[in-house]
Amino acid sequence: KQEVTQIPAALSVPEGENLVLNCSFTDSAIYNLQWFRQDPGKGLTSLLLIQSSQREQTSGRLNASLDKSSGRSTLYIAASQPGDSATYLCAVRDSNYQLIWGAGTKLIIKP
Amino acid sequence: ETGVTQSPTHLIKTRGQQVTLRCSSQSGHNTVSWYQQALGQGPQFIFQYYREEENGRGNFPPRFSGLQFPNYSSELNVNALELDDSALYLCASSLDQYTGELFFGEGSRLTVL
Repeated sequence: KQEVTQIPAALSVPEGENLVLNCSFTDSAIYNLQWFRQDPGKGLTSLLLIQSSQREQTSGRLNASLDKSSGRSTLYIAASQPGDSATYLCAVRDSNYQLIWGAGTKLIIKP
Repeated sequence: ETGVTQSPTHLIKTRGQQVTLRCSSQSGHNTVSWYQQALGQGPQFIFQYYREEENGRGNFPPRFSGLQFPNYSSELNVNALELDDSALYLCASSLDQYTGELFFGEGSRLTVL
């Protein structure tokens, strides 16, 4: 059974720092992995989608990597800003086409 | 191109009542899925509709039901509301029923008293 874990559950860093959020999964047989951002009480915003054949995707200050063999994905945020404060979730599309979610990492960027 | 829109944004119901939540999918998207998100947790999959047919369901009882219309908009109906149904209900649309990128609406916050 596929399980997705995001550690740490919460992270607080000063503005301007580069940071990495982690997402690990137990079964490497996946179709893709998607990173989302969620502001408090709001819906989810899609950040990046990485197909199983890809190693990384980039959008602006965000870079997501995927290593299927080790069951890991990272979301790299460059030059963090207070507006980046949110909860970041990853979701894996497993071999049964089900979307399996992590519990998220709550990120706080201190001005 | 409009994104995914949901209504209402907030609502309050009492135990035993019924509720209908609505979702308009992103233009051109034929697949809609619904999720329940309790506070501080990740989304839980309720069900998915593709071209007006339910083609996937999570671990939710039959009192959670849905519809998808020819224009690909969708409804989530919950009967006999329970206190534990209080949550944020999220609708997502995608181009591909199997592996498509999901685009979410802002959600409907349901409180059951």
